Formats: sequence, C-alpha cells, structure tokens
Amino acid sequence: SQQGEEDPQALSIQEGENATMNCSYKTSINNLQWYRQNSGRGLVHLILIRSNEREKHSGRLRVTLDTSKKSSSLLITASRAADTASYFCATDERDSWGKLQFGAGTQVVVTP
Amino acid sequence: DVKVTQSSRYLVKRTGEKVFLECVQDMDHENMFWYRQDPGLGLRLIYFSYDVKMKEKGDIPEGYSVSREKKERFSLILESASTNQTSMYLCASSPQSYGWPDTQYFGPGTRLTVL
Repeated sequence: SQQGEEDPQALSIQEGENATMNCSYKTSINNLQWYRQNSGRGLVHLILIRSNEREKHSGRLRVTLDTSKKSSSLLITASRAADTASYFCATDERDSWGKLQFGAGTQVVVTP
Repeated sequence: DVKVTQSSRYLVKRTGEKVFLECVQDMDHENMFWYRQDPGLGLRLIYFSYDVKMKEKGDIPEGYSVSREKKERFSLILESASTNQTSMYLCASSPQSYGWPDTQYFGPGTRLTVL
C-alpha cells in the first residue's frame, strides 16, 4: 500500500528558483524521509525528520513536518540543473521495524 | 561509503524462465529489501530480511521468492518470469536500529524486461 503521496507530480523551474514539493500520508508515523533519484538510478537519502520534529535543514534543503495534518514539505532553495531528479517521501508506520512506504514521487526539472 | 551492488543493470529474459537478481552490501547491515518500481506507482516492497535466513513478505510478494544465506547477500528469485514482472528492481539495505528505522541505502537498480 502506498502511504506517502507527493504533490505535484511534476515541477519545472529555472535555475536559481526555489522548488517546493509536498507529501501527505495516512497513518501515524515514527519518522519521514526524503530521497532523490536521478534518471534510471537508485535512490539516495536526503534527509530524515522524526515525528517529534517540526523543521529540519540540510544545506539547501528544508523539510517541515506537520503531524496534525499528516503532511511534509521539501524545499530546495536556489536550485541548480544538478537538482533535476525525482524526489520521494518515505514513511514508516509505528511498529513497522524498518519497512518504509514510498510515494509515487515528484519529478523536478531545473533548466539553466 | 556504503556500497550496495546489484548483479546486472539490464536483463532480458523470456516468459517462464527462472530469474535470479543478486544484491550485495558491504556495510554489515542487518536489514535488506527488494522493491520494484513502476511509473506512477512509486516503490513497492516485495520482500525484506532482517537477519540471515530470515525473510518477511512485503506488499507484493506473489510470483517472487528470496534467499539470504549470508548477511551481505540478498537474492530475489522469479520462479517463472511473466511479462507483468517487467520492471525496475531496486535493492536496499539499512542497519538494525531496534525500532528506529535508519536510512536505506540503495543499489543502482536492475531493469528487467520479460519478453
């Protein structure tokens, strides 16, 4: 079953602009993670936010989590062409022992 | 750096063939996972293993089996490949954090085509 759902499905921006994507989920979670996938490759972990955290930063990435709305957002600031990729949120349900549920992803294209 | 390798990047098989997809990780991780990825559906968990010789079904185990004889190696087996198993297969590993899931480290993927 798909727990996280990203919005929008696709996003096209110019270099230097900010990119924001959202993730909604259905059940109570322990934490939420964001991953990036370059075309035809494996996923790379970007950032993890725990259920008792509201905001987290890592370089040009900013993640927020609102457990009351069961939603998260990923903001990429000052985007670069190299940020072109698909971005996935992944959640784990309580007592799931390491299993993650991934959304369908947001495809981001950054044009120079 | 954690390294997760998969035996093939591209694979073409015929309907009815037995297919083995191999995954090896070099970080002594307890947990290993097999996913398939299809457009618009994201990643779906096929099987996972939290220890040698242990396996648990994921969301879509039908038509698949797995083997974990050694800690570093997790194999996905398609007993009789069918065209609806054409997909990208991703392997991942993570350390055992005793209830606090850690990040998963992914291999590059195997794009399997079943004709």
